[in-house]
Amino acid sequence: EPEVTQTPSHQVTQMGQEVILRCVPISNHLYFYWYRQILGQKVEFLVSFYNNEISEKSEIFDDQFSVERPDGSNFTLKIRSTKLEDSAMYFCASTVEGGADYGYTFGSGTRLTVV
Amino acid sequence: AQSVSQHNHHVILSEAASLELGCNYSYGGTVNLFWYVQYPGQHLQLLLKYFSGDPLVKGIKGFEAEFIKSKFSFNLRKPSVQWSDTAEYFCAVNARTGFQKLVFGTGTRLLVSP
Repeated sequence: EPEVTQTPSHQVTQMGQEVILRCVPISNHLYFYWYRQILGQKVEFLVSFYNNEISEKSEIFDDQFSVERPDGSNFTLKIRSTKLEDSAMYFCASTVEGGADYGYTFGSGTRLTVV
Repeated sequence: AQSVSQHNHHVILSEAASLELGCNYSYGGTVNLFWYVQYPGQHLQLLLKYFSGDPLVKGIKGFEAEFIKSKFSFNLRKPSVQWSDTAEYFCAVNARTGFQKLVFGTGTRLLVSP
């Protein structure tokens, strides 16, 4: 069964450092998403991406965040200057159609710890 | 904007007990409804989804859910749980039109004791 692959699985970084979280969506999927889950809290939407541009972003997704699909296969989330409150599990997801008739496929997540 | 409520935050059951996890959503338009499961240390996996048609939806591993439009509910059920069902369960919703994000509930942590 096709998978969404995320790397690294764990990342520890110092406050103020830049991090890049990587995702390889399923090859024929067209819509890409980042979600995050702070420990003990619900999964929150960050951003959706289609046709090489952001289609929607949440209030969480401020100027410190950016997304990119640099080479047609990877889908990255960059946090420019990490804060302690960015510590969370970050999930990438993709789907064939944005209306999710085929369902979203999630990656296994990257646990980001900011110290 | 959509919102999802899961009222049970922690549920503890013995094996073979029946399970029902509540999910209510708030949205004025037509929605798609989902239940995801997250086993310890693993990613979110789709259990079942409802888009249209029969409001009783059957998913993997013996789970089912019933969409009751008048109650804005999509409760998850399983007649007889197993120890391997220990996991966190998330209800989610998205709007039917366009490329709409999933909105998740806060999750229910289920512990099944052998």
